[in-house]
Amino acid sequence: GEDVEQSLFLSVREGDSSVINCTYTDSSSTYLYWYKQEPGAGLQLLTYIFSNMDMKQDQRLTVLLNKKDKHLSLRIADTQTGDSAIYFCADTILTGGGNKLTFGTGTQLKVEL
Amino acid sequence: DTGVSQDPRHKITKRGQNVTFRCDPISEHNRLYWYRQTLGQGPEFLTYFQNEAQLEKSRLLSDRFSAERPKGSFSTLEIQRTEQGDSAMYLCASSLSDGELFFGEGSRLTVL
Repeated sequence: GEDVEQSLFLSVREGDSSVINCTYTDSSSTYLYWYKQEPGAGLQLLTYIFSNMDMKQDQRLTVLLNKKDKHLSLRIADTQTGDSAIYFCADTILTGGGNKLTFGTGTQLKVEL
Repeated sequence: DTGVSQDPRHKITKRGQNVTFRCDPISEHNRLYWYRQTLGQGPEFLTYFQNEAQLEKSRLLSDRFSAERPKGSFSTLEIQRTEQGDSAMYLCASSLSDGELFFGEGSRLTVL
């Protein structure tokens, strides 16, 4: 079946860049997403990329997509303590059957002073 | 607040009891999704509705689980004869057709 994998932990110093990586198996993925989850909170959509793009930039966030290798990354520039959270990548295949997301296991980002 | 709301936020129950969770989506959203998230894992798709029609159910949704969206607005997820393995966060999301999913804060179930 479809699988999305991420590394479990990442620790960075405040002000540095963070890069969170994700690999997925389904080459039919239409959209790929990055969500943020803070303790006790729901999922917040950070950004997404359409599968025919290879890069998307949104303020401090840069998403890179290597469709050949099925690799997605999220770079957070100038990481702040408020960025500490769990980050999930997810993919979906839009076939008119609902926007069913397949999530990775999440990467816990810890930002140290 | 006009986001997705879920109730209750936390439910503790004994094994064998029935529990029901409610989700109120964003008002104009025609699609409503239920996901389950266990500790240390990402959310897993359970089921979704388009208006009042339940269009897909995951194999994760055993016979003890039932979801409804009777008038195409709020939805309920009922778990009968709860088991310890049902302990998880149950997340609801809504969207306008294939648009962005907006998630609620979840209902955490603890089965003792």
